Amino acid sequence: EVQLLESGGGLGQPGGSLRLSCAASGFTFSSYAMSWVRQAPGKGLEWVSGISGSGGSTYYADSVKGRFTISRDNSKDTLYLQMNSLRAEDTAVYYCAKAGSSSWYFQHWGQGTLVTVSS
Amino acid sequence: DIQMTQSPSTLSASVGDRVTITCRASQSISSWLAWYQQKPGKAPKLLIYKASSLESGVPSRFSGSGFGTEFTLTISSLQPDDFASYYCQKYNSYPWTFGQGTKVEIK
Repeated sequence: EVQLLESGGGLGQPGGSLRLSCAASGFTFSSYAMSWVRQAPGKGLEWVSGISGSGGSTYYADSVKGRFTISRDNSKDTLYLQMNSLRAEDTAVYYCAKAGSSSWYFQHWGQGTLVTVSS
Repeated sequence: DIQMTQSPSTLSASVGDRVTITCRASQSISSWLAWYQQKPGKAPKLLIYKASSLESGVPSRFSGSGFGTEFTLTISSLQPDDFASYYCQKYNSYPWTFGQGTKVEIK
């Protein structure tokens, strides 16, 4: 059974940093692209960032480009999102999502971790 | 970037109704479209991929159709468990954009 478990959310200061983690199990982690998707309170889904299975290719939404960095450690089956220069508009539930086979739809999702940016 | 527009934003329906949600792309995305269901406080769940392929374990009352720029998600007979929000997502190319969502409410 595929399991994705996010951690690292919490309260962040404007201009500050947070690092999210997503521990994966139940599948061959290095064989699948992964993404982060967020949802602001009462709003829709927003794709944030994606990374290929090898980690060699990374992708970012314009809203986070230059501030967030996605990475993965295939030896630890773990996905990361380093969030710098936080803004109030980054407040959201952040979901880790496993891509489908050779395609960038999202077949499995974690339960989400809440990030609140406030002073 | 390609924009994804869903309609309606909210839909009121009764148990047993046939429900159709539309998703339009601002440019052709071939069949590279997925549909998700999300219930309050829960993670999204994949329903349909490649416009019309039903994800394993998803009830057959859900179906998807379309190609190019216009797509539909149909629920053939709405069940109590189906009252939720639904999102389309394109994945032909980066960025992998979602539609704004459709909330299916009890009439």
